Amino acid sequence: KAGVTQTPRYLIKTRGQQVTLSCSPISGHRSVSWYQQTPGQGLQFLFEYFSETQRNKGNFPGRFSGRQFSNSRSEMNVSTLELGDSALYLCASSLPDSGANVLTFGAGSRLTVL
Amino acid sequence: AQSVTQPDIHITVSEGASLELRCNYSYGATPYLFWYVQSPGQGLQLLLKYFSGDTLVQGIKGFEAEFKRSQSSFNLRKPSVHWSDAAEYFCAVGALQAGTALIFGKGTTLSVSS
Repeated sequence: KAGVTQTPRYLIKTRGQQVTLSCSPISGHRSVSWYQQTPGQGLQFLFEYFSETQRNKGNFPGRFSGRQFSNSRSEMNVSTLELGDSALYLCASSLPDSGANVLTFGAGSRLTVL
Repeated sequence: AQSVTQPDIHITVSEGASLELRCNYSYGATPYLFWYVQSPGQGLQLLLKYFSGDTLVQGIKGFEAEFKRSQSSFNLRKPSVHWSDAAEYFCAVGALQAGTALIFGKGTTLSVSS
């Protein structure tokens, strides 16, 4: 069974640009969550999607957005990039019907903003 | 406020020695607790979880953790550390309901000396 796949694994952008990150969940998993990991702030929750609907959102500015497709794949977008957006962005999927909020994480997309 | 505290930023243990990583949490609802491990350049791998029942839970790779409600703690232990255990360890707390955010500690980096 394939794990959570995130693309691209590494990318470099400049300030003011935008970026789109992709996440393919484990087959059968319908919930996808996104987290930002930085050395200073640690792991912080961005948002969670289920059945193409955002169910929960963390405390991030509106420049951070996401969506989920009918096949459960998810993308997140960051517009008008700032230096502080440099981070590892982790996607995780889970089986919401399992009665347990157990996340399986991908390897992450490492974004560097210059 | 909801939070997770991992008091030890960095721990060095000799190979073959025992290990205990500390985790304290503050959470308003019934806490569901997790330990994840992250190797360099990788995502997070679930070591173990506690939802209810026996307060001593067993995980993968020989790890165990004990939930102590009175102390708001969920410490991770391993009787004999292997060099391959060197990594960063994260404690997290969340609700059982799918889609809710996990709150992570800042992590403890484990180094293993020979």
